[in-house]
Amino acid sequence: KNQVEQSPQSLIILEGKNCTLQCNYTVSPFSNLRWYKQDTGRGPVSLTIMTFSENTKSNGRYTATLDADTKQSSLHITASQLSDSASYICVVSSPEYGNKLVFGAGTILRVKS
Amino acid sequence: DARVTQTPRHKVTEMGQEVTMRCQPILGHNTVFWYRQTMMQGLELLAYFRNRAPLDDSGMPKDRFSAEMPDATLATLKIQPSEPRDSAVYFCASGGDSDFSEAFFGQGTRLTVV
Repeated sequence: KNQVEQSPQSLIILEGKNCTLQCNYTVSPFSNLRWYKQDTGRGPVSLTIMTFSENTKSNGRYTATLDADTKQSSLHITASQLSDSASYICVVSSPEYGNKLVFGAGTILRVKS
Repeated sequence: DARVTQTPRHKVTEMGQEVTMRCQPILGHNTVFWYRQTMMQGLELLAYFRNRAPLDDSGMPKDRFSAEMPDATLATLKIQPSEPRDSAVYFCASGGDSDFSEAFFGQGTRLTVV
């Protein structure tokens, strides 16, 4: 069973709109949670890294939230742009796995004009 | 600017052939990861090294895959013999030795085994 579940699998929104992507994880204990953006044909690029003590972290128009009690995280994208079209991957690091990164399957976001 | 460099970007090979993928980590990074990405499985960790020593290769099929770091500027992933099910994008990433270090990914090698 995948330890990191993301929803929705895919999403289409209009340019300029906001959207929120969800991530639920079961790995415990937990070291940190990351959100990556992966453009088609390219490697993932880190957006945010949060430890269990952080509730929110922003990177430009991207804001990640974390609730370590419910083991949920979200990535909110504000005023979406066409260039935001990509796969967004939630990644959890846990000492249980030697602090290896455990990847979710990703949410494919398409922003259309 | 600093980046992880992978070669080749694309590789098509016949089943049974040996495949070697190379990675140049970012200078100064002492942790190197190899990942495989497929549509079905997403990103899977194959192996990772710290200070050139293999720390974990449990995700790698040992009978045909091997990963090495001959020096601090080069990591290699070899498949011998290759099989069609090995077709995937193979990513190398490098980072620092902290658990909170950011991992920087290369562009990947798209491998097709026919």
